[in-house]
Amino acid sequence: NAGVTQTPKFQVLKTGQSMTLQCAQDMNHEYMSWYRQDPGMGLRLIHYSVGAGITDQGEVPNGYNVSRSTTEDFPLRLLSAAPSQTSVYFCASSPLLAGGLNEQFFGPGTRLTVL
Amino acid sequence: SQQGEEDPQALSIQEGENATMNCSYKTSINNLQWYRQNSGRGLVHLILIRSNEREKHSGRLRVTLDTSKKSSSLLITASRAADTASYFCATEGRLTSGSRLTFGEGTQLTVNP
Repeated sequence: NAGVTQTPKFQVLKTGQSMTLQCAQDMNHEYMSWYRQDPGMGLRLIHYSVGAGITDQGEVPNGYNVSRSTTEDFPLRLLSAAPSQTSVYFCASSPLLAGGLNEQFFGPGTRLTVL
Repeated sequence: SQQGEEDPQALSIQEGENATMNCSYKTSINNLQWYRQNSGRGLVHLILIRSNEREKHSGRLRVTLDTSKKSSSLLITASRAADTASYFCATEGRLTSGSRLTFGEGTQLTVNP
């Protein structure tokens, strides 16, 4: 299994540009999520999904869109990039089991710089 | 707002010593998880402890949970230079709408050889 993969690894955008960060998992996990990690701020949840066709907002959803058309893929779209979106973005997945969220499997991250 | 807060923010010890990191949270939880992040890498799951458990062990790791104090601790025994990393706690609120984990800001552990 490749686990959770993210592309690209690095990206530089100009203010106002749009782009899509890709996330895929091959573990048949129902739950997928996107986080951003800023220095000294830990991880903050952007959006998450509990299955194909179902998405919900996290703590910091503004400026980002997601969709979940398949179990495997969960792309994150930046609509109009702003310097405040400069961050490292992590995708994670896990099975949905009774008793709450379990071990999250993280991708390697995408380092995004917005000029 | 952040649910979990780690303490200390940074910890520097010698190889062979034990390292203790603490996590406090604000609301009732379903479970609490600890993760490790090496510099420039993704997070790796270490251990999960449920709200009805008080202590859990995994190799050199020992996690405790005190729901009355809303706190947890992660103990790494006989530390090694390879344990140098950032450690995060993450909680899932019992009353939170939806399924979401909230991460703390992490403890940066440095183990000196």
